[in-house]
Amino acid sequence: EDKVVQSPLSLVVHEGDTVTLNCSYEVTNFRSLLWYKQEKKAPTFLFMLTSSGIEKKSGRLSSILDKKELFSILNITATQTGDSAVYLCAVEGISGAGSYQLTFGKGTKLSVIP
Amino acid sequence: KAGVTQTPRYLIKTRGQQVTLSCSPISGHRSVSWYQQTPGQGLQFLFEYFSETQRNKGNFPGRFSGRQFSNSRSEMNVSTLELGDSALYLCASSLYSRNRANTGELFFGEGSRLTVL
Repeated sequence: EDKVVQSPLSLVVHEGDTVTLNCSYEVTNFRSLLWYKQEKKAPTFLFMLTSSGIEKKSGRLSSILDKKELFSILNITATQTGDSAVYLCAVEGISGAGSYQLTFGKGTKLSVIP
Repeated sequence: KAGVTQTPRYLIKTRGQQVTLSCSPISGHRSVSWYQQTPGQGLQFLFEYFSETQRNKGNFPGRFSGRQFSNSRSEMNVSTLELGDSALYLCASSLYSRNRANTGELFFGEGSRLTVL
């Protein structure tokens, strides 16, 4: 069974801090890893990673994938209160039925205090 | 363009009842996936529909079912509701079926919050 584990489950930081969120996985026939940000209801897409060692960057957020060690990290620099959210990691692999399927981790709840 | 629209946004049911949730994907998207989100289990995949056909199904009992119409709108139904079915049900659309070689991001709706009493 596919498994995605995120750590930490929650953390509280001060504005301006840098945070690193972790995602490790065990997936059959890995195809991609995706990061989402969920503030209130709808998760919003951040990054999709398919190749090892290539950093994806968007403003203060960046992410990298290590397919050998089966993990990814999401970095947020100079955090702001607007970064407070649950960050979800999802990995796409082949399900038992032979179809591609996304498996989500339980998320990391980030709280940024002024 | 309009995002993924889910209705109703909130609903309360009692045990044993059944419920139907609706999802309208982004215009042009033909794949609709459904997820159940609970505090304990996180986001869990229910099923995916593409071109009116169920392409994939998660590990949920047969009480959970769905369908997709020719305009790509999708509905999911839960029969004989149990307390444990209380959750946020999220629908996500994408251009292609997840089984295609070209993967793409999922676009999520804001969800339907179901409370079973």
